[in-house]
Amino acid sequence: AQSVTQLGSHVSVSEGALVLLRCNYSSSVPPYLFWYVQYPNQGLQLLLKYTSAATLVKGINGFEAEFKKSETSFHLTKPSAHMSDAAEYFCAVSVLGGSQGNLIFGKGTKLSVKP
Amino acid sequence: KAGVTQTPRYLIKTRGQQVTLSCSPISGHRSVSWYQQTPGQGLQFLFEYFSETQRNKGNFPGRFSGRQFSNSRSEMNVSTLELGDSALYLCASSLGGGVRETQYFGPGTRLLVL
Repeated sequence: AQSVTQLGSHVSVSEGALVLLRCNYSSSVPPYLFWYVQYPNQGLQLLLKYTSAATLVKGINGFEAEFKKSETSFHLTKPSAHMSDAAEYFCAVSVLGGSQGNLIFGKGTKLSVKP
Repeated sequence: KAGVTQTPRYLIKTRGQQVTLSCSPISGHRSVSWYQQTPGQGLQFLFEYFSETQRNKGNFPGRFSGRQFSNSRSEMNVSTLELGDSALYLCASSLGGGVRETQYFGPGTRLLVL
């Protein structure tokens, strides 16, 4: 069975600092990985996704993530945090042969950005 | 293109009642998935519909049901509400529900059960 672990339920950074949100997955078959962001009282918005093409994936708002099979990781980074990045971030996985329409989510990481 | 819409946005019910939530997918999308989001359990998959058929179901009791219409709009129903059903219910649409496809989420319906 597939699963996702997000280390750190809360992460706080200063404006302009590096953002690093950690995601590790567990899957016996090659995964497809997604990062979503959720702003208060809103639904989820896709930041980026990995579907077995390039291992370094660039997304919206300056975010990127690198798929590392050896480490079973897909950490999300942004070189310089902005106040508007404060939100909750979710890593999710699906797999070839898995059930359609079913994303398995991590517990989420709430990002705070200090001025 | 209009995004995924969900109605109503907020709902207050009492224990034992039933509720119906509605989701209109992005035009052209035929797959609709439903998720429950709570602080304790996070985001959990409820079920997925494609072409009016339920293809997949998560681990929820039979009180949770859904359907999809020929125009791909979907509804979910929760009968005999319990306090623990208080949650944000999100629906997401995609073209065909494939595992590589991006799911586009609506703003959710926040249900409070008293």
